Amino acid sequence: GESVGLHLPTLSVQEGDNSIINCAYSNSASDYFIWYKQESGKGPQFIIDIRSNMDKRQGQRVTVLLNKTVKHLSLQIAATQPGDSAVYFCAEDYRLYNFNKFYFGSGTKLNVKP
Amino acid sequence: SQTIHQWPATLVQPVGSPLSLECTVEGTSNPNLYWYRQAAGRGLQLLFYSVGIGQISSEVPQNLSASRPQDRQFILSSKKLLLSDSGFYLCAWSRANTEAFFGQGTRLTVV
Repeated sequence: GESVGLHLPTLSVQEGDNSIINCAYSNSASDYFIWYKQESGKGPQFIIDIRSNMDKRQGQRVTVLLNKTVKHLSLQIAATQPGDSAVYFCAEDYRLYNFNKFYFGSGTKLNVKP
Repeated sequence: SQTIHQWPATLVQPVGSPLSLECTVEGTSNPNLYWYRQAAGRGLQLLFYSVGIGQISSEVPQNLSASRPQDRQFILSSKKLLLSDSGFYLCAWSRANTEAFFGQGTRLTVV
């Protein structure tokens, strides 16, 4: 698979602060980029995605930024809550005809301190 | 609504024993299906994907195989487990051009 990696393996933030999780990718051919949240012992859950021709997309309390020039992706979580504690993965989504292939980075663990 | 089921949730198997993990999807037809493996503290590695019954593609050479005997059933197998097969196995599905939806995973420990 393609190389998708994260800058920081662990991030600790205070409850109420904003969190920024970063991701670098190596291949420019992916069609979408996706952020997933994985709680301990569970499968990853979709948070938000961004199409490769966009540079910003906002959801509820989350914003994803895409900088194709430096091949960098970030997830911003506003007003971080204890329930946000989890491992966050970025993934490249290659869309081939009617099929997708997803390649994941190694993950960043977010610890939210009360 | 669509749901995905994986079982068992945990499994301890001796080296050399066979493996069969099952995944089923409900509420949709002709899904794309995936098997991923996650080593402790690591990311997800794509093992197999399937676009239809009997159609299996392997991403990496390994000791495992996959089968899709029915439209919404995806099975991960091994004839003889190795210690290195230990990990967290995740099944996922997607429609064409949508994100992947994951099951709750199976934690496999080979002893």
